[in-house]
Amino acid sequence: NAGVTQTPKFRILKIGQSMTLQCTQDMNHNYMYWYRQDPGMGLKLIYYSVGAGITDKGEVPNGYNVSRSTTEDFPLRLELAAPSQTSVYFCASKRLGAEAFFGQGTRLTVV
Amino acid sequence: AQSVTQPDIHITVSEGASLELRCNYSYGATPYLFWYVQSPGQGLQLLLKYFSGDTLVQGIKGFEAEFKRSQSSFNLRKPSVHWSDAAEYFCAVDDTGTASKLTFGTGTRLQVTL
Repeated sequence: NAGVTQTPKFRILKIGQSMTLQCTQDMNHNYMYWYRQDPGMGLKLIYYSVGAGITDKGEVPNGYNVSRSTTEDFPLRLELAAPSQTSVYFCASKRLGAEAFFGQGTRLTVV
Repeated sequence: AQSVTQPDIHITVSEGASLELRCNYSYGATPYLFWYVQSPGQGLQLLLKYFSGDTLVQGIKGFEAEFKRSQSSFNLRKPSVHWSDAAEYFCAVDDTGTASKLTFGTGTRLQVTL
């Protein structure tokens, strides 16, 4: 089992550019999440999904968008990248009330 | 809304010494609680979890944690630390709602001296 796979691992964006962070899981989990991690801040929830076709905002959704067309995939879209979006992004999946499984992260720098 | 507090930002212990990392949570009902570990440049790995039952839970790598409802705490312990335990540790609470969202503490960075 691959678990949760995120691509790319690293990316440098220029201000105003757009990109999509990919996340795929092969555990048939209904629940998927996107977090960002900044030094000393822990992980903050950006968006989440409780199943295909259902998404909702988390704590810090501004500047991001998501879609969930399949159970396996949960891409995160950044439109008009800003320096404040420089961060490490983690995708996670889980079953209801169980532990979450995390991808290896995407380190994004916006310059 | 639930919250998690990890009061220690950074802890240094000698190899072979005991370790306790503190975690306090705020949540109205009985929470689901987790400890995760993150090595540099890596994702988060589950160390242990508490859902119900025995309040002392055992995890991987020799770690254990104790749930104390009266103190709203879920402290992580290890009797003898190894140099490979140097990492960042996160406590998390599941809101057990329909979205089953995790809220994380800000983390504790553990440094191990030889």
